[in-house]
Amino acid sequence: GAGVSQSPSNKVTEKGKDVELRCDPISGHTALYWYRQSLGQGLEFLIYFQGNSAPDKSGLPSDRFSAERTGGSVSTLTIQRTQQEDSAVYLCASRDRVSTDTQYFGPGTRLTVL
Amino acid sequence: RKEVEQDPGPFNVPEGATVAFNCTYSNSASQSFFWYRQDCRKEPKLLMSVYSSGNEDGRFTAQLNRASQYISLLIRDSKLSDSATYLCVVNWGGSTLGRLYFGRGTQLTVWP
Repeated sequence: GAGVSQSPSNKVTEKGKDVELRCDPISGHTALYWYRQSLGQGLEFLIYFQGNSAPDKSGLPSDRFSAERTGGSVSTLTIQRTQQEDSAVYLCASRDRVSTDTQYFGPGTRLTVL
Repeated sequence: RKEVEQDPGPFNVPEGATVAFNCTYSNSASQSFFWYRQDCRKEPKLLMSVYSSGNEDGRFTAQLNRASQYISLLIRDSKLSDSATYLCVVNWGGSTLGRLYFGRGTQLTVWP
């Protein structure tokens, strides 16, 4: 079946512009996560959605970052007024209650802020 | 103290070698433990879960020591294809679908 998909795969933007990154989780997965990974660094947790519960936003680095999950499925991560330090790969992942061992990751969006 | 800490690496070993990675976690209420593998410029993928009694999957053996809050991964008879970054992952208490905490990873290079 279809895995987690993300778009765009690459995004180059100018400092100060806003960007939107999209994640389509595996159908039926109730939990969705956003991470970012800078070059040579580990995964940095950003935000987590679980069903209809309030999202865990504790990992968002600043108020320029926000995320939504509409209809319990597709999620959008928005970065306002991008800065060069926002350059990273942004990874989305989803999990379900049946196969809780596995968090399925999307291929990521590589964001470059010039 | 970081939630999940791993050997800094990198590990460079010849084919056929046995290599072990260690990981410690800070939350004693952690419930689930995993090893993920991440190839260069790719997304992480589950390698194996870690069970209390220890578990083996082919050449890979994972062990958990709850008293010491310590997890290990042993790779026997290393292959060139084992070259990757290995991520130690912990799910803290509460919901089984809760947040996962990732270590920074240990890089392994297997040379011919």
